[in-house]
Amino acid sequence: GIQVEQSPPDLILQEGANSTLRCNFSDSVNNLQWFHQNPWGQLINLFYIPSGTKQNGRLSATTVATERYSLLYISSSQTTDSGVYFCAVEILTGGGNKLTFGTGTQLKVEL
Amino acid sequence: NAGVMQNPRHLVRRRGQEARLRCSPMKGHSHVYWYRQLPEEGLKFMVYLQKENIIDESGMPKERFSAEFPKEGPSILRIQQVVRGDSAAYFCASSQGQGDASLFGPGTRLTVL
Repeated sequence: GIQVEQSPPDLILQEGANSTLRCNFSDSVNNLQWFHQNPWGQLINLFYIPSGTKQNGRLSATTVATERYSLLYISSSQTTDSGVYFCAVEILTGGGNKLTFGTGTQLKVEL
Repeated sequence: NAGVMQNPRHLVRRRGQEARLRCSPMKGHSHVYWYRQLPEEGLKFMVYLQKENIIDESGMPKERFSAEFPKEGPSILRIQQVVRGDSAAYFCASSQGQGDASLFGPGTRLTVL
């Protein structure tokens, strides 16, 4: 099956710093999503981004489908950004959009 | 405009009991997916359902686990004779179909004593 790898696995930032998270995938995908799992376990949709670039406030994401990677940028990080960031990909199957998740990046933002 | 609803949010069972997890998809969504997150791990796909049909159950354990999405009512993930290894967070997601974004519910955290 498709492999989804994320880097770095762990990241500690000082509040106000910027960071880039990476997601590599091993095959062509139909769709890619970024999620934030907060310290309470809730899974929050950040981006639905099969290709191109999108921005939402301090967050932006870029997917280069032909090169099989996606990047998530966090600018001016805040303590509330702490948690685990997952990318998940959908491959073209007989139906539906079953997602394969990456291993996640654990982010901690400190004061 | 409620999103994906799951209940209960927390469930405690003793070994050998049954666990029933419920999921109501977002209004207008006809595709339901169940995922499991074991402690310190990412989410793993379990099963994909549409109304009254199981489309893909390739991620479901072969025994004790079953899922349904009846014509009326929520989708149910049922775990019979639970064991400690079943302790995990179970997430439900819904979408309008292939190529559409999946929206996730808040999850049910199952603890088996």
